[in-house]
Amino acid sequence: EFVVTQSPATLSLSPGESATLFCRVSQSVTNNIVWYQQKPGQVPRLLIFDASNRATGVPARFSGTGSGTDFTLTISSLEPEDLAVYYCQQRYNWPPTFGPGTRLEIK
Amino acid sequence: EVQLVQSGAVVVQPGGSLRVSCVASGFNFGAFSMHWVRQPPGKGLEWIALISGPGDNTFYVDSVKGRFTISRDNSENSLYLQMSSLKTEDTAFYYCAKDRTGTTWSFDSWGRGTLVTVSS
Repeated sequence: EFVVTQSPATLSLSPGESATLFCRVSQSVTNNIVWYQQKPGQVPRLLIFDASNRATGVPARFSGTGSGTDFTLTISSLEPEDLAVYYCQQRYNWPPTFGPGTRLEIK
Repeated sequence: EVQLVQSGAVVVQPGGSLRVSCVASGFNFGAFSMHWVRQPPGKGLEWIALISGPGDNTFYVDSVKGRFTISRDNSENSLYLQMSSLKTEDTAFYYCAKDRTGTTWSFDSWGRGTLVTVSS
């Protein structure tokens, strides 16, 4: 099983700033990383697939990069509504596994 | 619009059984693999099962293999998760999720979740 880790565990930033979230996988997954956003009390929402492709309806403020074992989700011009836990997931190796999440707090 | 409507919350005793359901609309149900993903309250996500579009292939995470069964009825646009020999550690929100395209092991639509509480 591929182990997925995320850092930092919690990130606290102000509106208008940029957030950088990191995801690392124990072995190479090429570009097979997916990012989800889960707002408080809501279900997860697909943000990014295959490392860098935004899902339908996702604002351009959200961008993903990376390949191999290290990946980044960047959220620019933070808005209060970006308060959420962000999960990355590898889909390269069975079973698909999620990271523990990064909690993004908006000051 | 894709909709996944799940059955309501349940409480079951350890060792017990139950079935969770998910009714889909807004897409060609039989053309997509479907998944169950669970989330213990306040914790992270865990994929637990997949069923292919026709229903002829299933996969399970080791922690539920032999205890849980995923199934579907494409004529009714319905997905099911039969859960047996339940343990307290199975307490979680159970989400049905639609595969993004065919079978990609990524999830672009989610049900609202069914809270399953295993407790004596």
